[in-house]
Amino acid sequence: GESVGLHLPTLSVQEGDNSIINCAYSNSASDYFIWYKQESGKGPQFIIDIRSNMDKRQGQRVTVLLNKTVKHLSLQIAATQPGDSAVYFCAENPHSYDKVIFGPGTSLSVIP
Amino acid sequence: GAGVSQSPSNKVTEKGKDVELRCDPISGHTALYWYRQSLGQGLEFLIYFQGNSAPDKSGLPSDRFSAERTGESVSTLTIQRTQQEDSAVYLCASSPGQGMRIGDYGYTFGSGTRLTVV
Repeated sequence: GESVGLHLPTLSVQEGDNSIINCAYSNSASDYFIWYKQESGKGPQFIIDIRSNMDKRQGQRVTVLLNKTVKHLSLQIAATQPGDSAVYFCAENPHSYDKVIFGPGTSLSVIP
Repeated sequence: GAGVSQSPSNKVTEKGKDVELRCDPISGHTALYWYRQSLGQGLEFLIYFQGNSAPDKSGLPSDRFSAERTGESVSTLTIQRTQQEDSAVYLCASSPGQGMRIGDYGYTFGSGTRLTVV
């Protein structure tokens, strides 16, 4: 079935370095993508989103890149901090419908 | 309230018993969703309510699972005759409505109910 998957299930990064979390999606009709951050014991929290008519969108220390040709999404975190340690989920929203499909998640660990 | 509220935060129940989980969405949000998250896993869609439309129940894993929503407010997820494989965190989320756009911030999630079936 349709799914969104991640290339790297775990990622360890030195504090201050940049982090890149990758995601592959399978539904070429999806037109809206979201990254969520989930800290231990909490629900996922919105980080940044992007529409399919864009290939890049920047937030505060985060950038999302979208490559529709290869159906690939990435989240870049600049100057990674210990507070960035969490599980990161990508999600796709097919056909501008409310239900999103979540990927399996990548666990990011920041080494002080 | 300011966010999505779920109760109880933790629930331990004996195999075979029924449980009810509650979700209070953000006021004014017409869409409400239930997801299940097993330990160390991703989010599994269960059910989706949008206004007065018929709910999308396509993710419910068995007929032991059901959910109701009163208007555009509280929702309860009921699991009958619980099994050990039902142990997971059950997450509720709400959103303003159909057709997500940039700036809608996707869903707002609650902190979940951790269900343990012993």
